This record gives sequence, C-alpha cells and structure tokens, in this order.
Amino acid sequence: KAGVTQTPRYLIKTRGQQVTLSCSPISGHRSVSWYQQTPGQGLQFLFEYFSETQRNKGNFPGRFSGRQFSNSRSEMNVSTLELGDSALYLCASNNPGEGGELFFGEGSRLTVL
Amino acid sequence: QKEVEQNSGPLSVPEGAIASLNCTYSDRGSQSFFWYRQYSGKSPELIMFIYSNGDKEDGRFTAQLNKASQYVSLLIRDSQPSDSATYLCAVSGGSGGYQKVTFGTGTKLQVIP
Repeated sequence: KAGVTQTPRYLIKTRGQQVTLSCSPISGHRSVSWYQQTPGQGLQFLFEYFSETQRNKGNFPGRFSGRQFSNSRSEMNVSTLELGDSALYLCASNNPGEGGELFFGEGSRLTVL
Repeated sequence: QKEVEQNSGPLSVPEGAIASLNCTYSDRGSQSFFWYRQYSGKSPELIMFIYSNGDKEDGRFTAQLNKASQYVSLLIRDSQPSDSATYLCAVSGGSGGYQKVTFGTGTKLQVIP
C-alpha cells in the first residue's frame, strides 16, 4: 500500500509569488490534513478536508487555502508569499473512526527568498 | 497559553535509562491523545495513543493520561540510541473536533551511548 505522496518535495519561490502543493493520500483514506512545520512554532494545523469539504481551519491568514478533489487528493495554495512562509508543509491522511492515527507524507519544503 | 505544551529539551538520558516526556493541554474537552516520533529530516510517525485515564503499555513505551490534571506523559524504558528523536504530543476531540489534531512543539530526546 503506497503511503502519502507530496509533490513537489522542494521548491524555492520569491516574495509575492504564489505556490501550489499537492498531496495524494493513502488509498482509501478520505480525510486529508495540512500542517506547517517551522523550528520555532512546531507543527501548526492549517486545515482538514473530508469528502471535498473543509471541516476545520487553523489560525492562518486567507492567503492560505486548500481544496480536495473527488479522488481525495488535496492541494493547498499560498498566495502573495512572505519570507515567514518558509517552512516544511506536511500533509497527513487518515480514515476518521479508525483510531485517529495520522499518516504523514514526506513534506514539501518551501523556501521564500 | 499554548494549546499543547511540551518542554523543548533537549532531554539527555544514558542508554538503558528511563526517559520521561511530559505534555500538558489546555482544552479540557480533549478526548484523544497521541505521541508521535520524528527523526531529523523525517516526517512524524505514531508510536502511542491513549484515550482513557491511566497507563497504556506497548513494549518499551508507556503512555500515561490524567484528564483531571490535563497531563499526558510518555515513558521509554531501556532507552536506546535509536530512540534519539523529537517526540510530539498531540490531542484531538476538544472544541476543534476530532478532525483537528493539535500538536505540541516537541521534546528532543538524546540517548547517550
């Protein structure tokens, strides 16, 4: 069974640009969550999607958005990038009701110059 | 006050000793509690979960939960150098619902051979 796949793994952008990150969950998993990880703040919850619906959202500005497709694949977008958006973006999938364990992808490391 | 608090460490223990990792949470309604391990440069992986007050043992790992004190801990017996990693405490099921899993910033554990 393939794990959670995130693309791209690394990317470099400049301030003001926008970026789209992709996440393919484990086959059969319908919930996808996104997290931002930085050395100082740790893992911070961005949002969670289930059946193409955003069910919960963290305390991030509107520049951060996401969506989920009918095949459970998810994308997140960050517009008007700022230096502080440099981070590791982790996607996790699970099936609600199956113990709550999150299965993480390898992450997309974004550097904003 | 952070939702989930952990001592950032590093916590250094000699090989073979017991490592004790602690976590407090602010949302009294939280129902599910997790410990994830994250090796440097890798994504988090679940090592323990606990839902009820008391102790839960799995091999060398014991999770302890005290909902009245809003306190979760992880004991690692017979610590090995391979246990050196950052340990993340996570909670869900509170006001954010089960779909929002909130992480602490992690405690870095170093096991000295």
